[in-house]
Amino acid sequence: DGGITQSPKYLFRKEGQNVTLSCEQNLNHDAMYWYRQDPGQGLRLIYYSQIVNDFQKGDIAEGYSVSREKKESFPLTVTSAQKNPTAFYLCASSIVNRGLNTEAFFGQGTRLTVV
Amino acid sequence: AQKITQTQPGMFVQEKEAVTLDCTYDTSDQSYGLFWYKQPSSGEMIFLIYQGSYDEQNATEGRYSLNFQKARKSANLVISASQLGDSAMYFCAMREGGKAGNMLTFGGGTRLMVKP
Repeated sequence: DGGITQSPKYLFRKEGQNVTLSCEQNLNHDAMYWYRQDPGQGLRLIYYSQIVNDFQKGDIAEGYSVSREKKESFPLTVTSAQKNPTAFYLCASSIVNRGLNTEAFFGQGTRLTVV
Repeated sequence: AQKITQTQPGMFVQEKEAVTLDCTYDTSDQSYGLFWYKQPSSGEMIFLIYQGSYDEQNATEGRYSLNFQKARKSANLVISASQLGDSAMYFCAMREGGKAGNMLTFGGGTRLMVKP
């Protein structure tokens, strides 16, 4: 079945460590996104990419990095510079076209906890 | 200023009754799209319904309908005949036609709890 796979589902990180969250899609979508969700709050955009080898910062990119070497993959690295990384991270993808009605498809999320 | 505002952090509704979840938005674009997503406790985001800024009819999808009032910049979600499985977080989101990136901007969400 087509979809977006995020792994791992739960991740624990020690302070000062970098950690990478995986996001893979087989929907043949050009655009991919990373969102952060804090408890009881909405989603905030970290990074997005509309084409391979190109990506743009979102609203809260500080302390995060991404790569887009393949169309199917958009991994997110949470670096030690991110002051408060404990959160729920959601990856999404969508078709890129001029239509505004294109829905974004989401993965199941990764819950990151700093211990 | 918040682009998407959901003023109800939590809502209760009796099973089988209808409920309205509020959403107001702020944009200077004439062309935009409004979305509602459901997030169960498992965490995934489920697309529910879409309304385009030029759509003259309110969108409907099964038990979901969108009360779109363009002049008031509101796009409220109406769920009819609530079911226990409707208990979840609900997010309103917007895509602006004049903004690069095709991304969605989300509101803070409303937690809906359906009482048996």
